[in-house]
Amino acid sequence: DVKVTQSSRYLVKRTGEKVFLECVQDMDHENMFWYRQDPGLGLRLIYFSYDVKMKEKGDIPEGYSVSREKKERFSLILESASTNQTSMYLCASTRDRWVYTEAFFGQGTRLTVV
Amino acid sequence: GIQVEQSPPDLILQEGANSTLRCNFSDSVNNLQWFHQNPWGQLINLFYIPSGTKQNGRLSATTVATERYSLLYISSSQTTDSGVYFCAVGRGANNLFFGTGTRLTVIP
Repeated sequence: DVKVTQSSRYLVKRTGEKVFLECVQDMDHENMFWYRQDPGLGLRLIYFSYDVKMKEKGDIPEGYSVSREKKERFSLILESASTNQTSMYLCASTRDRWVYTEAFFGQGTRLTVV
Repeated sequence: GIQVEQSPPDLILQEGANSTLRCNFSDSVNNLQWFHQNPWGQLINLFYIPSGTKQNGRLSATTVATERYSLLYISSSQTTDSGVYFCAVGRGANNLFFGTGTRLTVIP
């Protein structure tokens, strides 16, 4: 089974802090994604990556950056956390670069910025 | 992006009942997936179904791509079926557009 693991289930950070969310997948998938989930809005794509050191902006990239130094690991960075970034963050991966096949999600990180 | 509408937004069922969840989308797609989010936040892929019909135990799904909708059927519901069901659609490899979900509560 594909496993996507996010480093933290719950995080509480202060406004202005730099925050790192880590995601690791163990099935050699090419694509990795970061979404945020907010009530009434569903999931929205922040960034995705189809290869090491490659990244593409999603629908809501403002205030975020990403890093993919190894194929299995995809990090989401909040350069200066703000209260409007309080949300559930979900990492996902898919096998193929060119075809969006079945997506596998991590367990989510619930981030609170105070 | 592609607009995705799910109905109903909330559903309460007695254990053992059947239900149908609907997903309408605004544009042609070559990717459609159904997910279940459990009360702990984990999203589980139920079906990858850009067209046709699939069945997995008590769950089945049908997508009519030409008419831009998909249906998820849950039969003989159990309390463990509770959670939020999401439909997500897309074209190509780079993004899925999610609906806002159907929250299902199954009561014993």
